[in-house]
Amino acid sequence: NAGVTQTPKFQVLKTGQSMTLQCAQDMNHEYMSWYRQDPGMGLRLIHYSVGAGITDQGEVPNGYNVSRSTTEDFPLRLLSAAPSQTSVYFCASRRRGDSPLHFGNGTRLTVT
Amino acid sequence: EDQVTQSPEALRLQEGESSSLNCSYTVSGLRGLFWYRQDPGKGPEFLFTLYSAGEEKEKERLKATLTKKESFLHITAPKPEDSATYLCAVQAQGDYKLSFGAGTTVTVRA
Repeated sequence: NAGVTQTPKFQVLKTGQSMTLQCAQDMNHEYMSWYRQDPGMGLRLIHYSVGAGITDQGEVPNGYNVSRSTTEDFPLRLLSAAPSQTSVYFCASRRRGDSPLHFGNGTRLTVT
Repeated sequence: EDQVTQSPEALRLQEGESSSLNCSYTVSGLRGLFWYRQDPGKGPEFLFTLYSAGEEKEKERLKATLTKKESFLHITAPKPEDSATYLCAVQAQGDYKLSFGAGTTVTVRA
C-alpha cells in the first residue's frame, strides 16, 4: 500500500493563479481531510469529507474548494492564490471512529 | 471549541537526559487523544492513542500518559534519533475531526 499520496511536492504560484493539490489514498478510508501547517500555529483544518459526495468546512476554509467524487481522491483547489496561502499542506485519511489519521508527506506552496 | 496547548515550544536535551512534554486540552467529551511525531519535510507519524484518564502507552523510549486535562509524553534516556517535533491532537465525542496543538520541537545532542 502506498498510503496517502500527495502531488506535487513543491509549487510556486503567482498571486491570482489557481491550482489543484492532489491527494489519493489506497486504504479505503472513509474520512479524508486537508490541513495547512504554518510556523507556530500547528495544523489547521481546511476542509474534510466523511465519504464520497460529502464535504464540510474546517477551521480555515476561505479561498479553498474541495470535492469528493470517489473514496480514494480528495483534491484541494485554490481558486485565486494569495500570499497568505503560502504554507505546507497536508492531506490525511482515517477509518471511521477513533482510528489514527494517516498523513501524506505534504505539498510546500509558495505564492509570490 | 476544542483547544490544545503544547509546552514547551522547544526542548534541547543532552543524550540520556530524560524529560517530559505537556499537552493541555479542553474538549466537550474526549473520544481520543493522539500523539504524533513529525520529522522535517515529512508528514506526521502516529505514535499513540489514549482514551481515558489514567491510561498509559509505551513505545521504546516514549511513554504517554493521560489525565482529565492534560497528557504528558515522557522521553526516557533520549537518543539523537528522537529529535523531532511532537504533536498532540484531540477528537471530541461525536466528531470526526482532530484538533492539533502547535507542537514541541525536541533536539537531542550527542
